[in-house]
Amino acid sequence: AQKITQTQPGMFVQEKEAVTLDCTYDTSDPSYGLFWYKQPSSGEMIFLIYQGSYDQQNATEGRYSLNFQKARKSANLVISASQLGDSAMYFCAMREGRDSGYSTLTFGKGTMLLVSP
Amino acid sequence: DAGVTQSPTHLIKTRGQQVTLRCSPKSGHDTVSWYQQALGQGPQFIFQYYEEEERQRGNFPDRFSGHQFPNYSSELNVNALLLGDSALYLCASSGDAGADYGYTFGSGTRLTVV
Repeated sequence: AQKITQTQPGMFVQEKEAVTLDCTYDTSDPSYGLFWYKQPSSGEMIFLIYQGSYDQQNATEGRYSLNFQKARKSANLVISASQLGDSAMYFCAMREGRDSGYSTLTFGKGTMLLVSP
Repeated sequence: DAGVTQSPTHLIKTRGQQVTLRCSPKSGHDTVSWYQQALGQGPQFIFQYYEEEERQRGNFPDRFSGHQFPNYSSELNVNALLLGDSALYLCASSGDAGADYGYTFGSGTRLTVV
């Protein structure tokens, strides 16, 4: 079974609107972390936001927020007030286990977001 | 504070050749992981180095090997290149202090095998 599932190959949104990118995950480890990355055409993986499995509140970073529903094993990224520069690939990733030094990241297949004027 | 530096940025090789990719981690990070990202896919974990040893390995053949130097920089070597090895190779560094350290990625090396 896929550990990270991103069901939206592509999403379109108009500038200044909000958009939600879906991510579901599968793990039996009680300790894990969920990441969202942005990858523009240049290839660099840009960290956006992180949510730990024991975090009580949903993570927020500026225009980015993570809608964490633990029972549903979902970790959707919400981008408010979309900008043209938000057009890129977005990846959801998971780290299993608490010790990040021994953990690796498992990525989904990504969602291409296109923001139109 | 420099982030993760990868070289070269682009590379074209012929089938059967060997290639070496290089990565310098972010200052303060001592763990380096390598990922392969095929076109249209998410990155796949290749292996991770810490204290100059391979600590974990993903599902990649022995043609993929690596090394970590005392200054924490790392190399990824691929022997007997196949057309299917064409991909973006990403290096990520992290700190080995437990808890919730983030990972810093480089811009990657785009390898094309012809």
